[in-house]
Amino acid sequence: AQKVTQAQTEISVVEKEDVTLDCVYETRDTTYYLFWYKQPPSGELVFLIRRNSFDEQNEISGRYSWNFQKSTSSFNFTITASQVVDSAVYFCALSGASGGSYIPTFGRGTSLIVHP
Amino acid sequence: GAGVSQSPSNKVTEKGKDVELRCDPISGHTALYWYRQRLGQGLEFLIYFQGNSAPDKSGLPSDRFSAERTGESVSTLTIQRTQQEDSAVYLCASSLAPRETQYFGPGTRLLVL
Repeated sequence: AQKVTQAQTEISVVEKEDVTLDCVYETRDTTYYLFWYKQPPSGELVFLIRRNSFDEQNEISGRYSWNFQKSTSSFNFTITASQVVDSAVYFCALSGASGGSYIPTFGRGTSLIVHP
Repeated sequence: GAGVSQSPSNKVTEKGKDVELRCDPISGHTALYWYRQRLGQGLEFLIYFQGNSAPDKSGLPSDRFSAERTGESVSTLTIQRTQQEDSAVYLCASSLAPRETQYFGPGTRLLVL
């Protein structure tokens, strides 16, 4: 069975602070995908990144960076110099790449509030 | 290109009435998923389509819920005899193939009075 844990229910920061959202996963699949989605107050989930389990390189996209550590089964997301527009609920998700269920497993989400 | 669209964006109905929610996936996407999200909660999987077939209906909460997909495109989620606990946002997502990245629509906000 797959499991995604986002232990942080809510994080509150002040603008320009750096913030890291944690994601820990469990899977028996040898190959899998990890995802992060952003859900702003408007409600639509926006795809941010997909990472293949074969690729442990960290990724940076502007103020966003992702740290994939297979040894600790974690795929953490860092926002540098946070802005008010980053306020949203962020979901981490896991999908097996072969065999098993076609249904991705989502974490319960972390609500990020960035205060001006 | 066009993303996933859903209609209506909002629906208010009376308890006991039937409702139909529509999803138009991204053209060419073979996989389509329906989720339910209650206020302040995470995503609850409802049903998955591959083409026009639904290999996994395990998330449908009761026999009042049904869904179909036609032409490997549009999908309709029907809720019969709505109950107040059906109030939620219903999200549709599509992906090029199973297990690939899912792209979500804006959702339908359903309120059952």
